[in-house]
Amino acid sequence: GENVEQHPSTLSVQEGDSAVIKCTYSDSASNYFPWYKQELGKRPQLIIDIRSNVGEKKDQRIAVTLNKTAKHFSLHITETQPEDSAVYFCAAKGADSSYKLIFGSGTRLLVRP
Amino acid sequence: EAGVAQSPRYKIIEKRQSVAFWCNPISGHATLYWYQQILGQGPKLLIQFQNNGVVDDSQLPKDRFSAERLKGVDSTLKIQPAKLEDSAVYLCASVGGWASNTGELFFGEGSRLTVL
Repeated sequence: GENVEQHPSTLSVQEGDSAVIKCTYSDSASNYFPWYKQELGKRPQLIIDIRSNVGEKKDQRIAVTLNKTAKHFSLHITETQPEDSAVYFCAAKGADSSYKLIFGSGTRLLVRP
Repeated sequence: EAGVAQSPRYKIIEKRQSVAFWCNPISGHATLYWYQQILGQGPKLLIQFQNNGVVDDSQLPKDRFSAERLKGVDSTLKIQPAKLEDSAVYLCASVGGWASNTGELFFGEGSRLTVL
């Protein structure tokens, strides 16, 4: 089955700097890659996603890139702000009809003011 | 639009006791998931329903965990008997349809279980 690995497990950046979180997946047939943000004690919420037919997607300060050949995708946050501090999870969904979404282990991002 | 509802929010039990969690997905969402999130880890899929049928339960410890989704709406997840390692947040999520929308999973607030 699908396996998703995420790095780093923790990331500390200065406010205003950029943050990059990387994930790799095992199933080459996977076709959908969302990123979820989870603040302390709250539910995970979708912040951006990308499908396998595109290589990059941007939404204001966040962007996701996908390299299908290497089977990895990354989350980029520019001009980080303290409110970006949270745990970020990547995920991957296989191409079959099961709609099964497998999550990475998470990255705890701390933005220092 | 009402979100995914879960109850109870918190539950403390002793090992070998039983517990049940309830989830009401967003109206009309056919696919429902139960995830287990141990502190410091990513959500781990336990079971996935499509309407009232099980799509995937390969990661569900069937000797102690059970789940059902009668009538294809609400779902319950039961643990009997509980072990210390079952301490986690149990997240319910639903999605309307992968073909018609972004495929965003809508999560409930979770049910935090502590097994003593």
